[in-house]
This record gives sequence, C-alpha cells and structure tokens, in this order.
Amino acid sequence: DAKTTQPNSMESNEEEPVHLPCNHSTISGTDYIHWYRQLPSQGPEYVIHGLTSNVNNRMASLAIAEDRKSSTLILHRATLRDAAVYYCILSSYNNDMRFGAGTRLTVKP
Amino acid sequence: ETGVTQSPTHLIKTRGQQVTLRCSSQSGHNTVSWYQQALGQGPQFIFQYYREEENGRGNFPPRFSGLQFPNYSSELNVNALELDDSALYLCASSFGRGARNTEAFFGQGTRLTVV
Repeated sequence: DAKTTQPNSMESNEEEPVHLPCNHSTISGTDYIHWYRQLPSQGPEYVIHGLTSNVNNRMASLAIAEDRKSSTLILHRATLRDAAVYYCILSSYNNDMRFGAGTRLTVKP
Repeated sequence: ETGVTQSPTHLIKTRGQQVTLRCSSQSGHNTVSWYQQALGQGPQFIFQYYREEENGRGNFPPRFSGLQFPNYSSELNVNALELDDSALYLCASSFGRGARNTEAFFGQGTRLTVV
C-alpha cells in the first residue's frame, strides 16, 4: 500500500500563507489525494481532495505535482482556528483512506 | 457539526468483554466507514459499509465486525476486548459506493478504554 510522508510539525504566523507538504512517491494511478484536519477532541474535518489537477475551495488550495508523487496544501491566510493536525491521505480502489501521522500546525499570533 | 452522531461518547470495558458502538450517518448518506485512532496517531481504517454490505476492510482481525441498517446507521462490534483496543473509534459517512472521490463527514468519536 502506498504511504504518505509529512513533516511532524510546522509553525506559521497568523494571516500569512502556509504550505503543508506531502510526499507519496508510491501512489497508484487511481489513488485520490485527500486532506483532512483534526482539532483536539474532535473527529477529522474534510479540507480538500484531488486526483491530478490542482484544486481550490473556500478553505484551501491543493497543488499536485505533475508526476503525482507529492502534493502541497496551501492555506492562503492562516488564522488561529487553523491550528490542527493536518493529514494527507491516499484513498484507494478498495475505498479505504490511509492516514499517516499528520503534521501538527501551530499558528502564532 | 457534521450531522454524524456516535454513541456512547465514552466507555470503559474489561478485557475479554464485548462492546457495541453506534453511528448515525448524515442524512442522505449511504456509506459508513469506521476508524480506530490510538493516542497520538492517525486514524486507521477498519471497514466500510455501503447499502448494508461490507465494501472494504482494513488490517483488523475478525473479532472486529460491523452492521449497517436499512436507514444507513451502523454498528461496530468488538469481541474479546484486548488492552490494545483502547482508542478513539471514529465513524465517517459519505455518499456513494467507492466513496474515495467525495467528502466524508466524521463524528466526534467514541473513546473506549479497556482495563
């Protein structure tokens, strides 16, 4: 099974952009790339997902490398409420979502 | 709030006992997935149900079983509880078979402690 690799932690200043990287060098052609985030004592919350093309929504942007071996979640202006653990996930043909350990994002005022 | 509700929120069981966890999915969703999240780790996929049938399973032993009902709510059953089963159990609902190209909505989870 393909895995994802993310930094354990990252810091950002409030109102600045944040780029959260993810490596998935063994991704298969049919795996979708999902990003979820989890605040303390809550279930994960959907952020964005894509297959090959870059994606934008009201929360974030997802930039996918041309070879699909890496992706970057972009938060355009971090707020204190964006502090969470961010998971980069591959979703395969058998419908599972394989979470890694995630990146803990700290946002400084 | 996502509209996915799980019960109970907390539970303490003794090793060797059996437990049933429940999940009410979001209105209009016909797919339910269950995950186990140990402290400090990411969620691990247990299995998924689509329209009352199992539609994918992770690397969990058969003592982890599930059901999905006609109203698409779901149960997770764990037999012969072990200390390592202590974790947060998360339920996620979504729409459609092969729900990998869609958004999943997670509940708040059930915190199970096995003593």
